[in-house]
Amino acid sequence: GAVVSQHPSWVICKSGTSVKIECRSLDFQATTMFWYRQFPKQSLMLMATSNEGSKATYEQGVEKDKFLINHASLTLSTLTVTSAHPEDSSFYICSADSGQGREKLFFGSGTQLSVL
Amino acid sequence: AQSVTQPDIHITVSEGASLELRCNYSYGATPYLFWYVQSPGQGLQLLLKYFSGDTLVQGIKGFEAEFKRSQSSFNLRKPSVHWSDAAEYFCAVGPANQAGTALIFGKGTTLSVSS
Repeated sequence: GAVVSQHPSWVICKSGTSVKIECRSLDFQATTMFWYRQFPKQSLMLMATSNEGSKATYEQGVEKDKFLINHASLTLSTLTVTSAHPEDSSFYICSADSGQGREKLFFGSGTQLSVL
Repeated sequence: AQSVTQPDIHITVSEGASLELRCNYSYGATPYLFWYVQSPGQGLQLLLKYFSGDTLVQGIKGFEAEFKRSQSSFNLRKPSVHWSDAAEYFCAVGPANQAGTALIFGKGTTLSVSS
């Protein structure tokens, strides 16, 4: 079946540094990718929607200068957490949509970010 | 407003007993409905989905769900729970035939299995 690879699965960084998370669709082209954030024992909250070759659309309350999203190709989207702070510590999950209806919507395995 | 409600935050079931996890949705358009399972520190695994047709859908790991339009519900069931089913379960809804639109998730139900 289709696979979405998310890397790294776990990262610890110092406050003030930047962290890049990659999301790749391995056997299909993802016209749209979604980035979610999940706090412990909470649901997934949509952060932004990115379409290949265009700027990401951010949800209300999500700082686009802090969470930089790049969807440069049909198989890769990246989320960069800039100048990370402890409150950015969270579980981040990407989702890739092939654009062929809801049949082709897959999730990555997530990235646990801990900012010290 | 579009939303998904999972009324039960935490459920404990004895191993071998039956399970039902509730999900109610509010959605303006024709919905597609999903159930996902998440183990600690892991991503989401799709259990099953409803797009159209038969309102009782079968999924992986012995799960099934029934879509009831009149009740705006999509409850997940399993006749006999195994200890390995302990996890977080999320119900989600999305628009039919609108690729590129994110799903809306419920807050999740934590399932514990007792021996």
